[in-house]
Amino acid sequence: EDQVTQSPEALRLQEGESSSLNCSYTVSGLRGLFWYRQDPGKGPEFLFTLYSAGEEKEKERLKATLTKKESFLHITAPKPEDSATYLCAVQSSSTLTFGKGTMLLVSP
Amino acid sequence: GAVVSQHPSRVICKSGTSVKIECRSLDFQATTMFWYRQFPKQSLMLMATSNEGSKATYEQGVEKDKFLINHASLTLSTLTVTSAHPEDSSFYICSARVLGSSNQPQHFGDGTRLSIL
Repeated sequence: EDQVTQSPEALRLQEGESSSLNCSYTVSGLRGLFWYRQDPGKGPEFLFTLYSAGEEKEKERLKATLTKKESFLHITAPKPEDSATYLCAVQSSSTLTFGKGTMLLVSP
Repeated sequence: GAVVSQHPSRVICKSGTSVKIECRSLDFQATTMFWYRQFPKQSLMLMATSNEGSKATYEQGVEKDKFLINHASLTLSTLTVTSAHPEDSSFYICSARVLGSSNQPQHFGDGTRLSIL
C-alpha cells in the first residue's frame, strides 16, 4: 500500500525565515510526485511535478526536490501570502495518494 | 491553463434532499475525473473515479447508490448525493486530468461545502 507522510504537521515562520517541508513516501512504481497548495475553503492548486530522483523544480520562492524516499519543498524568504496548507501526493500506476499536509503560517 | 470549475461552492439543505454538484474542465478535455471528500485537517480521500461514457469506479466503502456519478462528456462530471443526511456533510472536491498518461497532475476545482441540517 502506498504511503505518504508529511512533516511537520504545522509550521510557523517569520517573514523572511527560510525553511523546508518534508514528504516521505513509499510507493510501488512511482509515476510522479506532486506538490499542491491549498488555501482554506479551496481546492488544491497544482505547484510541481517531480518524476525522478535528483530532479528539482522552482517557482518564485518555492523549490521542490526529490530523492528515492522523500521530497522537500524549500521556501526561501517566505511572505505572509505563502501561508497555506501544502500537500504532497504520489502517483503509482493506479492511485494518487495524498499526505495530510503541512499547514504553514508566515507572520509579518 | 488546466482550469477546473466546480459548482455550487456551498450548499445548505434539509435532511432527505438530493444535491447535485457539477465539475467542468474549462480549457481541456478529460476522459477521467475524480471525486474526493475532505474532512477538517485531513487529507483528500478518493471517493470515485469518473470515466467518460462508462460507469464510475467507486472506492471501497463508498456507496454507489448514495453517490451517483455521471460523466456525460469530456468536460463535465456530476456527483449527486441522494437523500443526504447530516453525516454526509463535508467538503467535496473534484479533479480532472488532461488527456494522456497517468503521470500528469490532477487539477482541482474549488470544492463544494455541503451542510445537511
